[in-house]
Parts: sequence; C-alpha cells; structure tokens
Amino acid sequence: DAKTTQPTSMDCAEGRAANLPCNHSTISGNEYVYWYRQIHSQGPQYIIHGLKNNETNEMASLIITEDRKSSTLILPHATLRDTAVYYCIVRVGQTGANNLFFGTGTRLTVIP
Amino acid sequence: DTGVSQNPRHKITKRGQNVTFRCDPISEHNRLYWYRQTLGQGPEFLTYFQNEAQLEKSRLLSDRFSAERPKGSFSTLEIQRTEQGDSAMYLCASRRTGVNYGYTFGSGTRLTVV
Repeated sequence: DAKTTQPTSMDCAEGRAANLPCNHSTISGNEYVYWYRQIHSQGPQYIIHGLKNNETNEMASLIITEDRKSSTLILPHATLRDTAVYYCIVRVGQTGANNLFFGTGTRLTVIP
Repeated sequence: DTGVSQNPRHKITKRGQNVTFRCDPISEHNRLYWYRQTLGQGPEFLTYFQNEAQLEKSRLLSDRFSAERPKGSFSTLEIQRTEQGDSAMYLCASRRTGVNYGYTFGSGTRLTVV
C-alpha cells in the first residue's frame, strides 16, 4: 500500500472549516483514500473514503485531485468535539492487504 | 448495533506474567483485526481473522503472542511472559467484507507492564 504524508499538527477556529491535506504521490490506480480520526483514549473512527471522485457524507467531504496524488478532508463547521488525530490511509479495496497502515496522522486542535 | 466491545479496558501486570484480552465484534462482521498502539504513534497491524481462520500475521506478532477466534465470533489475544515493551493500547476492529465497509474499532485495552 502507498504511504501518505500529512502535517503533524493544525489548528482551526471553532465554526470555521477545517481543511486537512494529505499527499499520496505513489498511489496506484486501484488504491482508495480512507480517512479515520482518533479522539483521545478512543479507538479510531471511520470518516470517509473515495477512489477518484469527490465524496461527501454527514461527517465530512473528501476532495481528491485529478491526478490522485493528494487529497483534502474538509470538516465544514469544526466543533470542539472534532479535536482529534486524523489519519489519511491509502489501500487497495477488496483484493489487497487487509490491514490499514496508519502513520502518525495530523493532530487537529479546534480552538474556541 | 452495539459496536465493538473490548475487555478489560485497563490491565496492569507484572513482567513475566501472562495476560489475555477479549474482543466482541459486531455480530454480522466476518472480519476481525487486532492492532497495537504505543504513545504518539498510529495503530500498527498485528493480525486478522476471516471468520475463525487467522489469515494474516504481522512481524510484530512474536511467538509470545497468540490470537484465536473460535467459532468466528469473539476473539482473544494472549501475551505470554509479558515484557515492559508490550505496554501499549491493544485495539480490536471488525468489518464486513467489501470495499464499501469501513472498520469499526473498539475503545481498546490499555496494558501496562511493570
């Protein structure tokens, strides 16, 4: 599975959009981009995933560049509860390795 | 959907003792995973089951570690002759087969070896 590069930490004002970038320049054509987050003392929580089209759900939006070498997770109206470590993961969907490679993620702090 | 349940939440043990953790996945999930997380790092994959079959093991899973999933339901992770380096959060996750299903993680068992 391709590796990812994320900033170590970011701050965001409460109520504003949080834009978390991820570089995955070695991504293969059959690899998906997944985002998880981990709030202190809890297990990781699935947020969203996509292959090449932009995706949106009730938690966030995922914007994937046309060349698929980078993506951005958008939390449209950040709240204090969104303070967490956010992990960007790329992996093959059904037929590849079954485990997730998390890396060290981005620590997002939402500031009141 | 009651989520993935892990017990105990915390375990303190003396070096050299054996410990066993339990994971109860979401009932209709046929895949079950164990991960380990040390302070400041992301979770690292240990092993994976599809139903009762253990299909993949990481190099991190030394001979002192053993995992089982009898009858394809709950799973146990045992660590024999614990070492201080085994201190970590042990996370369990489950999912259905298929690319559109994300992993659901439990809250983990925090092991401290003294």
